[in-house]
Amino acid sequence: DVKVTQSSRYLVKRTGEKVFLECVQDMDHENMFWYRQDPGLGLRLIYFSYDVKMKEKGDIPEGYSVSREKKERFSLILESASTNQTSMYLCASSTKHRGSGNTIYFGEGSWLTVV
Amino acid sequence: AQTVTQSQPEMSVQEAETVTLSCTYDTSESNYYLFWYKQPPSRQMILVIRQEAYKQQNATENRFSVNFQKAAKSFSLKISDSQLGDTAMYFCAFMKRDNNAGNMLTFGGGTRLMVKP
Repeated sequence: DVKVTQSSRYLVKRTGEKVFLECVQDMDHENMFWYRQDPGLGLRLIYFSYDVKMKEKGDIPEGYSVSREKKERFSLILESASTNQTSMYLCASSTKHRGSGNTIYFGEGSWLTVV
Repeated sequence: AQTVTQSQPEMSVQEAETVTLSCTYDTSESNYYLFWYKQPPSRQMILVIRQEAYKQQNATENRFSVNFQKAAKSFSLKISDSQLGDTAMYFCAFMKRDNNAGNMLTFGGGTRLMVKP
């Protein structure tokens, strides 16, 4: 089974802190994604990466950055956390090969509270 | 850009009955995929069912089936013989069919489904 692991399930951080959310996948997937989930808004794409060291902005990249130094790991960085970044963050991955059916696999999510 | 709309924020159904969740989308693309994902409370998002837009036949997966109306840009999910374990948040999602890397999903706002005993 595909496994997407988010190392921190629940975090509480202070305003202005630098926050790292880590995600690891074990299926050698090329594509990795970070989504933010808020009630009524569904999931919104923050950043995605289609290869090592490659990244593309999603719909809501402001206040976030990402790092992909190794294929299996995709990190989301909040340079200076703010209270409006309190949310659930979901990491996901997929292969780029269309024979897979383009299924995207999700991690369990990281609940971040900024106080 | 694509948009996905789920007009029912919350729904409930009695165990063993049938329920239909609505989803509409807007796109100028002709080739794409549509998905329903399920997110149980405090658990991982999982794929329920997938439809390829070029296929006219509606997808089915056991008790889950879709009604895909391409012209109307509608993609509803029907759950038959509802079970308590179907209680979850359900998300409709769109993906452009693209040969390039980066198969991103655009999600609707979600429908919270409660199955009552």
